[in-house]
Amino acid sequence: QQQVKQSPQSLIVQKGGISIINCAYENTAFDYFPWYQQFPGKGPALLIAIRPDVSEKKEGRFTISFNKSAKQFSLHIMDSQPGDSATYFCAARERSGYSTLTFGKGTMLLVSP
Amino acid sequence: DSGVTQTPKHLITATGQRVTLRCSPRSGDLSVYWYQQSLDQGLQFLIQYYNGEERAKGNILERFSAQQFPDLHSELNLSSLELGDSALYFCASSVVSGLGYGYTFGSGTRLTVV
Repeated sequence: QQQVKQSPQSLIVQKGGISIINCAYENTAFDYFPWYQQFPGKGPALLIAIRPDVSEKKEGRFTISFNKSAKQFSLHIMDSQPGDSATYFCAARERSGYSTLTFGKGTMLLVSP
Repeated sequence: DSGVTQTPKHLITATGQRVTLRCSPRSGDLSVYWYQQSLDQGLQFLIQYYNGEERAKGNILERFSAQQFPDLHSELNLSSLELGDSALYFCASSVVSGLGYGYTFGSGTRLTVV
């Protein structure tokens, strides 16, 4: 059972465009939603995160939009750059338990020059 | 450098063999998490340790085991290896257990079973 569903699997965006990656979840006990960025040969690195008490969080060109009622959240990358080409993972953590993160399957983003 | 050290970076071994993957967490981090990454399954949580004690178990096979030592480094033992165990194995660490943020991942160990 996949608890966090991520789409699309891959994405090609032109330089300067907006990249949008979506995630959906069913577990209402999730209370923390981070996004990780992974470059080839490296481990995932925390990019930005949001809690369900806010609907949007922005850090530079990266924005998370959160829709609690729809149980969906998305990552928007504004003015996408070739250096943003990487695999992006959404994740979620349950309120109870020992804080293990459940990850989506990832989105391979390619930003063409 | 994330501060989480994983060794070895690459490992090639035959089916039926046993291997040990090692992880040194970031200085000050007490929690260690192991994840398996494959192309079709993404990042799958295997097991978590906090200050030497097992705290949570995910989709970890019975052929796999792990431990965290007093110096807080952790080892993941994979035995009776099968072709399907070929994957990237990541270790992550965090300061405390019970908080999801602050995961720092290592660069992973790429395991190839032939």
